[in-house]
Amino acid sequence: AQRVTQPEKLLSVFKGAPVELKCNYSYSGSPELFWYVQYSRQRLQLLLRHISRESIKGFTADLNKGETSFHLKKPFAQEEDSAMYYCALSGGNSWGKLQFGAGTQVVVTP
Amino acid sequence: DTGVSQDPRHKITKRGQNVTFRCDPISEHNRLYWYRQTLGQGPEFLTYFQNEAQLEKSRLLSDRFSAERPKGSFSTLEIQRTEQGDSAMYLCASSLRQGKAYEQYFGPGTRLTVT
Repeated sequence: AQRVTQPEKLLSVFKGAPVELKCNYSYSGSPELFWYVQYSRQRLQLLLRHISRESIKGFTADLNKGETSFHLKKPFAQEEDSAMYYCALSGGNSWGKLQFGAGTQVVVTP
Repeated sequence: DTGVSQDPRHKITKRGQNVTFRCDPISEHNRLYWYRQTLGQGPEFLTYFQNEAQLEKSRLLSDRFSAERPKGSFSTLEIQRTEQGDSAMYLCASSLRQGKAYEQYFGPGTRLTVT
């Protein structure tokens, strides 16, 4: 069965410090992995996806198939990064359908 | 186009009543998804449409739930004989099918409270 695990419910970091959000998945094939973000009082939106290999708002994520991980990283956290972050997976017979992790709340303090 | 819209934004109903939610996707998007999100959890997939065809339904979607997208544009999600366990945020998303990785655009959600 496919599963997405985000082990941290809450991550509190100081402004300017590095931040890493962990995401592990279980899937028997080659999934597509995504990070979605939800800022306070805003709707859920795509942050980045592994196939794009891009950096968005200073965030990067590398798909590690050996460790089945897709951790999200940013070297210097900013206060505006405070939000809820969800790792999501798509694959199998239903490309496009997303399976989400439980989410990690990031709080960046000055 | 202001993005995906959902109506109503909040719904309070009594147990046993029927409720219907509406989702208007981004106009050129041919895929439409419904998710449910409970407190402390990520969104859980319920069902999705490509144009007017309902392609998949989750096992979470009991026979009290039905979704339609009659003309391949807006969609409705109906819950019959609501139960307290149906209390959740119901999210709609839409996407344009391009290859395997579809970016899904989410609506603001409809928060359902069953008393």
